[in-house]
Amino acid sequence: QQQVKQSPQSLIVQKGGISIINCAYENTAFDYFPWYQQFPGKGPALLIAIRPDVSEKKEGRFTISFNKSAKQFSLHIMDSQPGDSATYFCAASTTSGTYKYIFGTGTRLKVLA
Amino acid sequence: NAGVTQTPKFQVLKTGQSMTLQCAQDMNHEYMSWYRQDPGMGLRLIHYSVGAGITDQGEVPNGYNVSRSTTEDFPLRLLSAAPSQTSVYFCASSPTTSGYEQYFGPGTRLTVT
Repeated sequence: QQQVKQSPQSLIVQKGGISIINCAYENTAFDYFPWYQQFPGKGPALLIAIRPDVSEKKEGRFTISFNKSAKQFSLHIMDSQPGDSATYFCAASTTSGTYKYIFGTGTRLKVLA
Repeated sequence: NAGVTQTPKFQVLKTGQSMTLQCAQDMNHEYMSWYRQDPGMGLRLIHYSVGAGITDQGEVPNGYNVSRSTTEDFPLRLLSAAPSQTSVYFCASSPTTSGYEQYFGPGTRLTVT
């Protein structure tokens, strides 16, 4: 019940295209869903996050879509650029009792120039 | 602000040796955590702390000890290193005690032979 399943494992997109990464969770107590971006040799960095009281959040070219009934959320990268090439992790967290992040297994995105 | 700093960047240990991975943050964050990152498995929480003197276990705590005597520092101790502990270790901190918005350090790459 604590798992967060992320897909695809890897993704290749042409420059200017849309990158879509999906995550699914089981624990309905999760109430915070962030996405992290990690470049090789660096620590993950928070990209964007959403709470379950909204269905979509947009920051620049990055959008999170959230489907509470399906227990799924996804990251959309519009107008993908070569500089977006990185590994992306979704995560889920709950503030009710335990303050733990559960991360997905990551998606390696490559944007072709 | 230096943010979250980790030392060393790289370490090689022999099986059975012990060592301490250092983590410090200068943002006055109450929440700090340790993760290990392994290929195909994302980031897994080892231990976390919601304030000085308070620590708790994450998903994979066995073989690791932590303590939190100050707000700034959160060292991770490997008691008797095993090859299964070969990994990249990340420390993170958060301005919220719930662990939202975690800021990650640059990581320590540990190899146990």
